[in-house]
Amino acid sequence: QKEVEQDPGPLSVPEGAIVSLNCTYSNSAFQYFMWYRQYSRKGPELLMYTYSSGNKEDGRFTAQVDKSSKYISLFIRDSQPSDSATYLCAMSADGNTGKLIFGQGTTLQVKP
Amino acid sequence: NAGVTQTPKFRILKIGQSMTLQCTQDMNHNYMYWYRQDPGMGLKLIYYSVGAGITDKGEVPNGYNVSRSTTEDFPLRLELAAPSQTSVYFCASSYSGLHSNQPQHFGDGTRLSIL
Repeated sequence: QKEVEQDPGPLSVPEGAIVSLNCTYSNSAFQYFMWYRQYSRKGPELLMYTYSSGNKEDGRFTAQVDKSSKYISLFIRDSQPSDSATYLCAMSADGNTGKLIFGQGTTLQVKP
Repeated sequence: NAGVTQTPKFRILKIGQSMTLQCTQDMNHNYMYWYRQDPGMGLKLIYYSVGAGITDKGEVPNGYNVSRSTTEDFPLRLELAAPSQTSVYFCASSYSGLHSNQPQHFGDGTRLSIL
């Protein structure tokens, strides 16, 4: 069993839709949860960071962490064609070293 | 401000050859990381460094070596290249660990094919 599971998609939605992206994990020691966005032929860039449980909102993006279910989500409201990218969840149990475990990524296409 | 710079962007190697992937950052970051990303997969940590002179293994270190003689540079060495090392390699850096929401800044990758 992989430590972090993420549905690879692809996911295709119309412009303006609400998008829900999810990851499950098996390691209960994970405390740090992140979502990265990766455009084609580019490096990942950090979108959202959450420590422990709870919700975090930043503009059109909301990240949720449910440690009891070992489940994290990223919601994108009013999706735009510029949101078309691969979204990677990442987690860590080790805040000192910053060692991350990544999901395999979900490819999202937002159609105009 | 260049951020994290990786060279070369593309490279084709023959089986058994060796090469060094270069990574340099100009943000005075203490922490640096090397990841590989196989097609349709997430990133896997190869090696990391929390400061000059300090390196440690990640998830998939076999077949690779690193050194960190300066804060700015973190080269990744492939000895005896094998087809299984065909991948996209990403270097990243951050000011510290994860306690203070310091993001890892990534370069744009080196695409390596071994034939």
